[in-house]
Amino acid sequence: GIQVEQSPPDLILQEGANSTLRCNFSDSVNNLQWFHQNPWGQLINLFYIPSGTKQNGRLSATTVATERYSLLYISSSQTTDSGVYFCAVGHTDKLIFGTGTRLQVFP
Amino acid sequence: DTGVSQNPRHKITKRGQNVTFRCDPISEHNRLYWYRQTLGQGPEFLTYFQNEAQLEKSRLLSDRFSAERPKGSFSTLEIQRTEQGDSAMYLCASSGQGANQPQHFGDGTRLSIL
Repeated sequence: GIQVEQSPPDLILQEGANSTLRCNFSDSVNNLQWFHQNPWGQLINLFYIPSGTKQNGRLSATTVATERYSLLYISSSQTTDSGVYFCAVGHTDKLIFGTGTRLQVFP
Repeated sequence: DTGVSQNPRHKITKRGQNVTFRCDPISEHNRLYWYRQTLGQGPEFLTYFQNEAQLEKSRLLSDRFSAERPKGSFSTLEIQRTEQGDSAMYLCASSGQGANQPQHFGDGTRLSIL
């Protein structure tokens, strides 16, 4: 089956710093989503981005489907950005999740 | 705008008991998915429905697990004779008609087996 790898596994930042999270996948996919799981366990949709680039406030994402990777950029990080960021790729009709990047932002 | 709703939010039960969870998808969505997430891992696919038809089941879904979506609206996930290893967060998601639609997740039901 498709493998989804995320890096780095852990990231510690001071408030105001920028970061880039990476997602590599092993086969062609028809869907790619980025999620933020907050400390209460809620999975928040960030981007639906099977290809191209999107921006939403301080967050942006780029997927290069032909090279099988996606990047999530977080600029001017805030303590509320803390949590786990998941990349999930769509293969047939189900999502396959990576193991996540745990982000901690300190004031 | 109502999102995906899951009940209960938390369930604590003794080993061997049966439990049932409910998911109400976004109203215009015809696809409904169940996932399970254990500590430190990403969610894993269990099963999904298109309208009332259950189209795919993961091998993670043992014969103690059963899911239904009787009228193509809400869905229930039942676990019979619960075991310690069933402790997890059970997540429901829904998506709209057509291929390659984004999935929207509920807040999950956290199951703890004593």
